[in-house]
Amino acid sequence: AQKITQTQPGMFVQEKEAVTLDCTYDTSDQSYGLFWYKQPSSGEMIFLIYQGSYDEQNATEGRYSLNFQKARKSANLVISASQLGDSAMYFCAMREPLNDYKLSFGAGTTVTVRA
Amino acid sequence: DARVTQTPRHKVTEMGQEVTMRCQPILGHNTVFWYRQTMMQGLELLAYFRNRAPLDDSGMPKDRFSAEMPDATLATLKIQPSEPRDSAVYFCASGQGGYSNQPQHFGDGTRLSIL
Repeated sequence: AQKITQTQPGMFVQEKEAVTLDCTYDTSDQSYGLFWYKQPSSGEMIFLIYQGSYDEQNATEGRYSLNFQKARKSANLVISASQLGDSAMYFCAMREPLNDYKLSFGAGTTVTVRA
Repeated sequence: DARVTQTPRHKVTEMGQEVTMRCQPILGHNTVFWYRQTMMQGLELLAYFRNRAPLDDSGMPKDRFSAEMPDATLATLKIQPSEPRDSAVYFCASGQGGYSNQPQHFGDGTRLSIL
């Protein structure tokens, strides 16, 4: 069964606008971690933001925020004030004890920011 | 900032040749992962180590791939003999095992082309 589902293969967003990338997950663990990574065209994988399953507040890191809805098992990434440099592939991932804390990745969403 | 270092960044070789990829994890990280990324399969976990011990290499073709960690500062992934279908980007990542709140940090990857 797919642990991480990203349903948007590609998205376009206008510069300076916000964009929301969807991520749903499946786990029976109570304690788990959710992560977002960015992969620009240069290829490196960059860690962006983390949300713990017990965190009551949504995580924020600069222009990135995570809209965590635990009951719905969703962890959407919001990028505010998009910049051209935000054009990249974005991966949602999860670590859980039942999976020996390995990262399970979604298929990714490609974001293209238009000037 | 501490970084995971991978060498080489690019490798082009002919089918049948041995390929060795190296990874220096972030100092203090006790878990090292090897991933392969292709357009068709996305990110696949090949193998991982904790405290230098191999924990899972079920994602790796055993007949031609081998992964080792001769010391805490070096992990290697070897392909012998290489085949065109091994062409991919290979990532090494390191992190703290046993915690769901710790991200994995990725190296820049090795772009491998087998002709």
